Amino acid sequence: NAGVTQTPKFQVLKTGQSMTLQCAQDMNHNSMYWYRQDPGMGLRLIYYSASEGTTDKGEVPNGYNVSRLNKREFSLRLESAAPSQTSVYFCASSDQTGFTRHFGDGTRLSIL
Amino acid sequence: AQSVAQPEDQVNVAEGNPLTVKCTYSVSGNPYLFWYVQYPNRGLQFLLKYITGDNLVKGSYGFEAEFNKSQTSFHLKKPSALVSDSALYFCAVSDYNTDKLIFGTGTRLQVFP
Repeated sequence: NAGVTQTPKFQVLKTGQSMTLQCAQDMNHNSMYWYRQDPGMGLRLIYYSASEGTTDKGEVPNGYNVSRLNKREFSLRLESAAPSQTSVYFCASSDQTGFTRHFGDGTRLSIL
Repeated sequence: AQSVAQPEDQVNVAEGNPLTVKCTYSVSGNPYLFWYVQYPNRGLQFLLKYITGDNLVKGSYGFEAEFNKSQTSFHLKKPSALVSDSALYFCAVSDYNTDKLIFGTGTRLQVFP
């Protein structure tokens, strides 16, 4: 009964490095989302995928790319990390109606 | 454009007392309203939602929320707080496009023994 699984849980990068955050869900949900959480800012939507094969920009997409590999997996890539991308990243999925999000436990990313 | 406000960064309450965490919203058309809770080092967990119907919505762990259209509010309430309710609470709103759910900045609830 895993729900939404994110890897890695922690990561430290140097400015300019690249990395991919992985997310997988086992609830057969169509929609998947990537958010970032910063103090005093709440959660902000980076990208989302309403179904396999589609992706759309959210509120703060600059500096990120995503891939919906299949129905289960939705990855987030930082091509050239910047200190402003230091944050906690959450992946979420939702059912057909999109009403209720199910969240992973996050990836804590620090960029030096 | 839709928006949501949680005017209190922190709410302190004694165990056993009633608690209220405030949320106001702005959205074109009918709102879809949600409350989520976040415990330390965990993702957000769904508490309750208002889509349509009764203005008083009951959710997990004894929480409830009242939708007030005239005041554009959706305050979270619990009759008797527990120390284990201490966490970060997020209100969220969307219009019919629930992919574009907007989260508030969060309210930290501290329940003291």
